[in-house]
Amino acid sequence: DGGITQSPKYLFRKEGQNVTLSCEQNLNHDAMYWYRQDPGQGLRLIYYSQIVNDFQKGDIAEGYSVSREKKESFPLTVTSAQKNPTAFYLCASSINSGGRHNEQFFGPGTRLTVL
Amino acid sequence: DAKTTQPPSMDCAEGRAANLPCNHSTISGNEYVYWYRQIHSQGPQYIIHGLKNNETNEMASLIITEDRKSSTLILPHATLRDTAVYYCIVTATNAGKSTFGDGTTLTVKP
Repeated sequence: DGGITQSPKYLFRKEGQNVTLSCEQNLNHDAMYWYRQDPGQGLRLIYYSQIVNDFQKGDIAEGYSVSREKKESFPLTVTSAQKNPTAFYLCASSINSGGRHNEQFFGPGTRLTVL
Repeated sequence: DAKTTQPPSMDCAEGRAANLPCNHSTISGNEYVYWYRQIHSQGPQYIIHGLKNNETNEMASLIITEDRKSSTLILPHATLRDTAVYYCIVTATNAGKSTFGDGTTLTVKP
């Protein structure tokens, strides 16, 4: 089955520790995205990548880092500099072909709790 | 990306049509209107998108006004499983980023 996988579904970390969230896609999509969602709120863009070895900051990049060494993988690291890391993290991908179809396909999300 | 405005919540009776409005008065000529929905604690799901013509698929219909400043997502026969948060966003096809607002929480009632 083609799709996006995020692991783990639930993640607990102690305050001050860096943690890396996994995102893998086998849809052969060029673009990938990371969003953060807090309770009762919409999605806010953290980072996005339109092509391998290139990525751009979104609206709330401070305290986060990413890499895009492979087309199918876009891991997100939540660093100790992130003031309020507890949230629901969503990864997405899209074709990014420049044509009329650029809908995003989302993974199931990782719920991070920092204790 | 252009900003969108949606009502925070709406109710709909089961079996009736649900009409969800979205205002995007600053939309540019190369920006499409996309709709997604998010069922509690899951990743959002793409529903439909359009540029200026009305669109229909197996999930919903999208009506875009002639001036493109607003649109309406129509779920023709709402079921309890359509209860979700619905997001309207506008974005160019290869803009690289999309801005999701807080969406509309649709509650379908029996």
